[in-house]
Amino acid sequence: EVQLLESGGGLVQPGGSLRLSCAVSGLTYSSSAMHWVRLAPGRGLEWLAGITASGANTFYTDSVKGRFTISRDNSKNTLYLQMSSLRTDDTAIYYCARGVSGAYDYWGEGTLVTVSS
Amino acid sequence: ETVLTQSPATLSLSPGERATLSCRASQSVSSSLAWYQQKPGQAPRLLILDASNRATGIPARFSGSGSGTDFTLTISSLEPEDFAIYYCQQCSNWPRTFGPGTRVDI
Repeated sequence: EVQLLESGGGLVQPGGSLRLSCAVSGLTYSSSAMHWVRLAPGRGLEWLAGITASGANTFYTDSVKGRFTISRDNSKNTLYLQMSSLRTDDTAIYYCARGVSGAYDYWGEGTLVTVSS
Repeated sequence: ETVLTQSPATLSLSPGERATLSCRASQSVSSSLAWYQQKPGQAPRLLILDASNRATGIPARFSGSGSGTDFTLTISSLEPEDFAIYYCQQCSNWPRTFGPGTRVDI
């Protein structure tokens, strides 16, 4: 059974930092491109960042470029999202997802990040 | 950035009816378009990839069509569990982008 399990969410003050993790099992993680997507209250899905299977290439949407960093540890089957300079509009449920043919076939259940003073 | 526009914003239908959802891209994405279903409190579920290919385990009542800038998701006969929000996503250009969603209501 494929499982993606996010962790690391919580309450953080504006300007603060947080690191999300996504532990993956049941698939060949080291051969899979991985992504982070979020769902903010009252808004739709937003793709944030992606990383190739080897980790050699990363991609970001403009709203998080320079603030968020995606990385992976293929020896631990784990994906990360380091978030800094957090803003109130970063409040959202954050999902990790596996990429296949550009689409995302497996998703975690999400971790809630709340940015508030 | 490739902007995706979905219409209508809300579709109010009854079980058994046909649903037709539209997604338009601001520039060509060839056939690199996916559709997802999301219900409250759940992760998105991949329905269609490459514009017209059903993902594993997706019922045949879901179908996708289109290429270039205009795409359609059709649900041939709505089941009670199909009432949800549907998003399109382009997989052609960076950054990847999602449409704003279409809510299918009873």
